Amino acid sequence: QKEVEQDPGPLSVPEGAIVSLNCTYSNSAFQYFMWYRQYSRKGPELLMYTYSSGNKEDGRFTAQVDKSSKYISLFIRDSQPSDSATYLCAMRGSGYSTLTFGKGTMLLVSP
Amino acid sequence: SQTIHQWPATLVQPVGSPLSLECTVEGTSNPNLYWYRQAAGRGLQLLFYSVGIGQISSEVPQNLSASRPQDRQFILSSKKLLLSDSGFYLCAWSARGRMSSYEQYFGPGTRLTVT
Repeated sequence: QKEVEQDPGPLSVPEGAIVSLNCTYSNSAFQYFMWYRQYSRKGPELLMYTYSSGNKEDGRFTAQVDKSSKYISLFIRDSQPSDSATYLCAMRGSGYSTLTFGKGTMLLVSP
Repeated sequence: SQTIHQWPATLVQPVGSPLSLECTVEGTSNPNLYWYRQAAGRGLQLLFYSVGIGQISSEVPQNLSASRPQDRQFILSSKKLLLSDSGFYLCAWSARGRMSSYEQYFGPGTRLTVT
């Protein structure tokens, strides 16, 4: 079993839709969770950062962590064509030096 | 504000040739530095990370090496490139010490094609 699982997609939605992107993980030591957005041929850009369980909202983006289920989500409201990108989840535990990444989900938002 | 630079942006090199990719960070001191490779369909692979000058940890044994000659400079090298070294190379930094953070910030990347 891989440490972090993420559906590669592509996930195609119409403009204005609510998008749900998800990752599951196996290491119960993970406590810090991040979502990155990567446009084609660009470096990943940090979108959201959460610690432990709960929700965090930033504009149209909401990050959700359920540690009991080892499941994290990123919701995008009122999706725009400019949201079309690959979304990577990442996580680490306290005392770890490095992040563990999912392989990314490609999102396509059509006008 | 902090900025991370990588160069060159793209590179085409023949098999067996040497490689040197450079990464520099501005606007912070004493950062943790990371080198990743991203190959199509394979996600981000951590190659090396450094917590200080001259301190390098290797995650994957291969024909690549890394050096950190200055606090905010990280170099990825190879003496002889292989076809399998082709990919998108990303440098990242995270804050350490008093401003320690877990999140990493990435540079624009170098696209390497080995022919």
